[in-house]
Amino acid sequence: EIVMTQSPATLSVSPGERATLSCRASQSVSSNLAWYQQKPGQAPRLLIYGASTRATGIPARFSGSGSGTEFTLTISSLQSEDFAVYYCQQYNNWPPGVTFGPGTKVDIK
Amino acid sequence: EVQLLESGGGLVQPGGSLRLSCAASGFTFSSYAMSWVRQAPGKGLEWVSAISGSGGSTYYADSVKGRFTISRDNSKNTLYLQMNSLRAEDTAVYYCAKSRVSGSSSIRQARDYWGQGTLVTVSS
Repeated sequence: EIVMTQSPATLSVSPGERATLSCRASQSVSSNLAWYQQKPGQAPRLLIYGASTRATGIPARFSGSGSGTEFTLTISSLQSEDFAVYYCQQYNNWPPGVTFGPGTKVDIK
Repeated sequence: EVQLLESGGGLVQPGGSLRLSCAASGFTFSSYAMSWVRQAPGKGLEWVSAISGSGGSTYYADSVKGRFTISRDNSKNTLYLQMNSLRAEDTAVYYCAKSRVSGSSSIRQARDYWGQGTLVTVSS
């Protein structure tokens, strides 16, 4: 099974600042990597797929990069609505199936 | 507009059974792979199971293999998760999620729409 790790666990950022979130896979997942945003009491929302393609309706301040085992989600200028938990997910390894990282919580500094 | 509406959650005793449903609308249901993902209280996301658009291929996480069964009724645009031999560690909000892409590679894709979830509590 591919194990996903994310760092940091918590990221404290001021509104308007840049946030950089990291995700690492225990083996190559090519570019089959997605990022999701989840706010309290809500379902996850797809932000990025294919490691770097923004999903429909996602603002340009969100960008993804990386391939293989190292990936990054960057939020260029944090808005109040961006404070949330962010999960990476690999979907390369079928079977057995997808795996999620443990998440990075982005909170207000 | 794509909509996914889960139902069937509730309180069940350890060893009991429950069947979750996910009613889908706004897209050609039979063309898309679907998944169940769960989230224990205060924890992260855990993939549970997936099924191809036709229903001919199914996949399970090791933690539920042999206890849970995923299925779909494409005539009713509904996804199911039959959960048997439930354990306390199965307590979670269960989400259904739609693949971003249709067709033969649908199952190997990110999930672009998610329901609001249904809570399953396993406790005596």
